[in-house]
Amino acid sequence: EPEVTQTPSHQVTQMGQEVILRCVPISNHLYFYWYRQILGQKVEFLVSFYNNEISEKSEIFDDQFSVERPDGSNFTLKIRSTKLEDSAMYFCASRVPSGRAFGEQFFGPGTRLTVL
Amino acid sequence: DAKTTQPNSMESNEEEPVHLPCNHSTISGTDYIHWYRQLPSQGPEYVIHGLTSNVNNRMASLAIAEDRKSSTLILHRATLRDAAVYYCILHSIQGAQKLVFGQGTRLTINP
Repeated sequence: EPEVTQTPSHQVTQMGQEVILRCVPISNHLYFYWYRQILGQKVEFLVSFYNNEISEKSEIFDDQFSVERPDGSNFTLKIRSTKLEDSAMYFCASRVPSGRAFGEQFFGPGTRLTVL
Repeated sequence: DAKTTQPNSMESNEEEPVHLPCNHSTISGTDYIHWYRQLPSQGPEYVIHGLTSNVNNRMASLAIAEDRKSSTLILHRATLRDAAVYYCILHSIQGAQKLVFGQGTRLTINP
């Protein structure tokens, strides 16, 4: 069964450093998402991406964040200058094209980001 | 985003049915009712969805009230693997279709 994969599973970085979190969505999916979950808190939407551009972003997704689909298979989340409060589990998700009656999202296993 | 209300936690015994309630009194006509779950240390996982009629799939059943202001996720025979946080989410087919997660219901299954 196809699945969303994410690398690395755990990333440790120093405050102020740049990090790139990588995701490989399911191959025929066209909508891509990043969510995050701070330890003990709820899952929060960060950004959605379709047709090589951001379709929606949350207030959390400020200028320090960017997303890219560099090669048609990977989907990346970059944090330019990490802060302590960026420590969280980051989940990538993807779904089939619109036109279906609903948009079941498939989530990856997550990348745990620890900012020291 | 329309909101949902779920109990913080529920407990059940293995091999018994579990009924997880969700209130969504401000649901709009274009909102689908989705359920996702999150097993420990994993990403969320789709369970089931519905609009007006009750739905069944291999994982669960979804019972939707006639006025659509509430719904119940039914696990017919809970196993230890069903221990997870269950999220009831109203999902419009409009726009980017982001998922707005609440706190969910933490389901504990006793052996």
